[in-house]
Amino acid sequence: GESVGLHLPTLSVQEGDNSIINCAYSNSASDYFIWYKQESGKGPQFIIDIRSNMDKRQGQRVTVLLNKTVKHLSLQIAATQPGDSAVYFCAENMREYGNKLVFGAGTILRVKS
Amino acid sequence: DAGVIQSPRHEVTEMGQEVTLRCKPISGHNSLFWYRQTMMRGLELLIYFNNNVPIDDSGMPEDRFSAKMPNASFSTLKIQPSEPRDSAVYFCASSSGAPGPGYTFGSGTRLTVV
Repeated sequence: GESVGLHLPTLSVQEGDNSIINCAYSNSASDYFIWYKQESGKGPQFIIDIRSNMDKRQGQRVTVLLNKTVKHLSLQIAATQPGDSAVYFCAENMREYGNKLVFGAGTILRVKS
Repeated sequence: DAGVIQSPRHEVTEMGQEVTLRCKPISGHNSLFWYRQTMMRGLELLIYFNNNVPIDDSGMPEDRFSAKMPNASFSTLKIQPSEPRDSAVYFCASSSGAPGPGYTFGSGTRLTVV
């Protein structure tokens, strides 16, 4: 029979536009969140993190927003470039389980030139 | 620093054979994590070690899987006997404590069991 796999959401953006990637997390007790970028054939790479006592954190071209009320995390990428094409994962740190990172399913970002 | 080093990069083996995946964490990192990534289940934590001691192996799928960390610079993940459904990319990550910017992944081992 046919196997059923994860159907990752895909975001297609034009080069130069801003990208917003969303993530819903599961545990209201999670105290730390990380966004990772995974390019084909490589391991996940750290992009930016945020602690639960913050609602916004900015890096270079990237911003993470945290809404604890609805357990929602977003990653904003400004002036998206072709090199940003990858799969993006959010991860939550479940501290009560001994600092265990749990990853979301991921979002595919495709940048059109 | 060369980062987290995994070997081999690719492994193709026949069903029933023993497979050993290897990981060298970043020097000075005291936590090491093994993950499995598949299209079906995404990225799953299998087991993690703190100061060479297994802390949580609740993600290990079954007794066919075992992991060791004999010293601070080396860990293995063994599958015996291997099955086709074990085909996946296996990642090792290391960190210097709680997750943070220093939580670094290796490039992974792509395992195919035929």
